[in-house]
Amino acid sequence: GESVGLHLPTLSVQEGDNSIINCAYSNSASDYFIWYKQESGKGPQFIIDIRSNMDKRQGQRVTVLLNKTVKHLSLQIAATQPGDSAVYFCAEIESGGYQKVTFGTGTKLQVIP
Amino acid sequence: DGGITQSPKYLFRKEGQNVTLSCEQNLNHDAMYWYRQDPGQGLRLIYYSQIVNDFQKGDIAEGYSVSREKKESFPLTVTSAQKNPTAFYLCASSIWTNGKNIQYFGAGTRLSVL
Repeated sequence: GESVGLHLPTLSVQEGDNSIINCAYSNSASDYFIWYKQESGKGPQFIIDIRSNMDKRQGQRVTVLLNKTVKHLSLQIAATQPGDSAVYFCAEIESGGYQKVTFGTGTKLQVIP
Repeated sequence: DGGITQSPKYLFRKEGQNVTLSCEQNLNHDAMYWYRQDPGQGLRLIYYSQIVNDFQKGDIAEGYSVSREKKESFPLTVTSAQKNPTAFYLCASSIWTNGKNIQYFGAGTRLSVL
């Protein structure tokens, strides 16, 4: 709910501008990554994913970039809209018998109308 | 949260009381998960189940219990042994598709202590 956004880094963006949200991951063995969007009072929603054999993947208005050298992931949102206001967090997955998933703490995106 | 239903949306627990959070999915997913979300922290795994009648402890299982008697249902009980239960609880389910195992989440249950 609302308290999820407390104590998180916040990115404020003017409506219509592009947003870039960053995520540093820790496990070199992670080979699959997901970005989730969590609106206030709701569960996380899948946005886009990327495998470790790729460095870029595009969706509708969103692009994910992966830099394995520095273990960095970013989510770019084009033409940010008020409905994009939410907490965004990344998930890193290490494939195996049970895919270990580690979630980031998240970034709160505030869109200024 | 389509296909995954968590109830209730809000729950209050008295000291010493056990409470059960419901999670039902109609996605025919094999795996189900329970996470705890606290302000400023990433999701932490409580329990997970990859198949009916089997479940495994996650990173913070102490004070919680689960069952998986049906594929569709994975209830979580917060026992009196959990001394700091106030949090937002999220249930998820997943299935292998095209070499991926994406977790889909319910809308969550907010648990507070009276």
